[in-house]
Amino acid sequence: AQTVTQSQPEMSVQEAETVTLSCTYDTSESDYYLFWYKQPPSRQMILVIRQEAYKQQNATENRFSVNFQKAAKSFSLKISDSQLGDAAMYFCAYRNNNAGNMLTFGGGTRLMVKP
Amino acid sequence: KAGVTQTPRYLIKTRGQQVTLSCSPISGHRSVSWYQQTPGQGLQFLFEYFSETQRNKGNFPGRFSGRQFSNSRSEMNVSTLELGDSALYLCASSLLYTNEQFFGPGTRLTVL
Repeated sequence: AQTVTQSQPEMSVQEAETVTLSCTYDTSESDYYLFWYKQPPSRQMILVIRQEAYKQQNATENRFSVNFQKAAKSFSLKISDSQLGDAAMYFCAYRNNNAGNMLTFGGGTRLMVKP
Repeated sequence: KAGVTQTPRYLIKTRGQQVTLSCSPISGHRSVSWYQQTPGQGLQFLFEYFSETQRNKGNFPGRFSGRQFSNSRSEMNVSTLELGDSALYLCASSLLYTNEQFFGPGTRLTVL
């Protein structure tokens, strides 16, 4: 079974600084996607960034980028120029492309942004 | 385009009762997935429906069931409620096998 681990229950960053959230996963599959989701206090989960396992190039979305290390099964999220609105729970998720849309989530990292 | 809607938003039940939660996906989305979120177990996949057929099922007891209607709206039912069923139940919709699922605001179920 696939597992996703986020080893940092909480992280804190100063506004305008950079923070990196860690995620590791375990799978024997080769065709999969990895995601970072953000869940603000309002509870609506939104997609931050995605990475296809076959692509070597790390995905970027504005201030958000990932460091995807396939051999190490590591998928970290870097948030640059942190803003107060970035404060939320962040979940790393895995999807086996041969198993429909089922997502396996990590335990989450609570990110606090200090003004 | 309207987002994923879930009703009701909050629900209080007592042990032994049953409950039905509803999810309306984004127009055109035919895949609907359900997740349970609790402080102890985190986010866990319940099941996925596509074109009225269950495609995947998570590791939950048979008390948890679901269905999907021809208009892609989905319901999940929990029978014989237990205290441990208290959770936020999230619904997500997507086009089949695309790279993004859109989540609803969730239904907060409290079992007393």
